[in-house]
Amino acid sequence: DIQMTQSPSSLSASVGDRVTITCRASQSIGNFLNWYQQKPGKAPNLLIYAASSLQSGVPSRINGSGSGTDFTLTISSLQAEDFATYYCQQSYSTLFTFGGGTKVEIK
Amino acid sequence: QMQMQESGPGLVKPSETLSLTCSVSGGSISSHYWSWIRQSPGRGLEWIASVSYSGTTNYNPSLKSRVTILLDTSKNQFSLKLRSMTAADTAVYCCARVQESAVEGNNFYYFDHWGQGTLVTVSS
Repeated sequence: DIQMTQSPSSLSASVGDRVTITCRASQSIGNFLNWYQQKPGKAPNLLIYAASSLQSGVPSRINGSGSGTDFTLTISSLQAEDFATYYCQQSYSTLFTFGGGTKVEIK
Repeated sequence: QMQMQESGPGLVKPSETLSLTCSVSGGSISSHYWSWIRQSPGRGLEWIASVSYSGTTNYNPSLKSRVTILLDTSKNQFSLKLRSMTAADTAVYCCARVQESAVEGNNFYYFDHWGQGTLVTVSS
């Protein structure tokens, strides 16, 4: 299995802050990497696919980058609606696997 | 707008079989791949299985011996059966659609629509 490791597991930030979340794959996965946002009691919501392609309807302050084993999700100016848990997921292997999540909390 | 809704029992006894159904509205299941994913505090998000519109299946090897995923195009539904349930299978079970997009010559797969999830507890 391809293991996905996210860091940090949680962070505290204020509205307007720039936030960066990292995801590392246990082997090279090219750019077969997706990012999701999950709010309490809701299913995950797709933000980014193919490492850097923004899903329709997702605000442009959210950006994805990286390739190989190291990936980054950046929120350029954190808004109130961005406080949530974020997950990466690889689709390089047909055995899809997810990272453990990064919870973004209000400072 | 596509909507997906899981249905099934919220409580299952140990050793019994879990049966869940995902009903899809606002779109046909006669295209795409369709998946089951579960989430628990101990295991996080775990992909269980996928089935294509043509019935091709793909299973998580860790669960393959206990899982069956099926498509019912006549009802626009797909289903999950998970046998020999234990407490470790307690989780929120979600159905999701797998979207495929071509980017720079490669085909990328991601979960673009999800059901809200249903909590399944294994307990006697």
